Amino acid sequence: DTEVTQTPKHLVMGMTNKKSLKCEQHMGHRAMYWYKQKAKKPPELMFVYSYEKLSINESVPSRFSPECPNSSLLNLHLHALQPEDSALYLCASSRALAGNTGELFFGEGSRLTVL
Amino acid sequence: AQKVTQAQTEISVVEKEDVTLDCVYETRDTTYYLFWYKQPPSGELVFLIRRNSFDEQNEISGRYSWNFQKSTSSFNFTITASQVVDSAVYFCALSEYGAGKSTFGDGTTLTVKP
Repeated sequence: DTEVTQTPKHLVMGMTNKKSLKCEQHMGHRAMYWYKQKAKKPPELMFVYSYEKLSINESVPSRFSPECPNSSLLNLHLHALQPEDSALYLCASSRALAGNTGELFFGEGSRLTVL
Repeated sequence: AQKVTQAQTEISVVEKEDVTLDCVYETRDTTYYLFWYKQPPSGELVFLIRRNSFDEQNEISGRYSWNFQKSTSSFNFTITASQVVDSAVYFCALSEYGAGKSTFGDGTTLTVKP
């Protein structure tokens, strides 16, 4: 069983909806990540939180809004998405010390469909 | 800038064959980390191995082995006596020290037929 839990596993939303993806880890990791993955493509980094502070934003559109309420939780708030935003959204965590990226532990992902 | 190239897009083998997945990387840093991940059809990426740039020792774990060669900037992955359960997409990734993030190759889809 994965130690990174993502909910929901599947989400269908309209372009005017507001929804959130949630991620939780209990490994004591201090870095958490959001990745977006399209079919047959590698994961694309969106955001990195290190010690609960946003450390990397890969120029992601503002319709995606991350939030890290505490060291175990990571949310991704979605608003006014476009159909091309449909993808698998993966959460990951790592021990990450001083910018040293250790191995990533991924959740099973949330498959998002925007109608 | 860091870059990872997995030239093999798809590989198909018959069960019990050995198969090698290639990974070539580019980096200007002297300290960096290399990874392999497996993504089965279920979608979750699973960490397989990490190697740091100062450790060129090859590693074997069961049917899996990894060959790290700095001289050719390669970090290849061999599966011995492949099994149907090995069917997945395999990603090689690189992280430069201090970058705070990993760069993934495009992945190699491995299909093992019974």
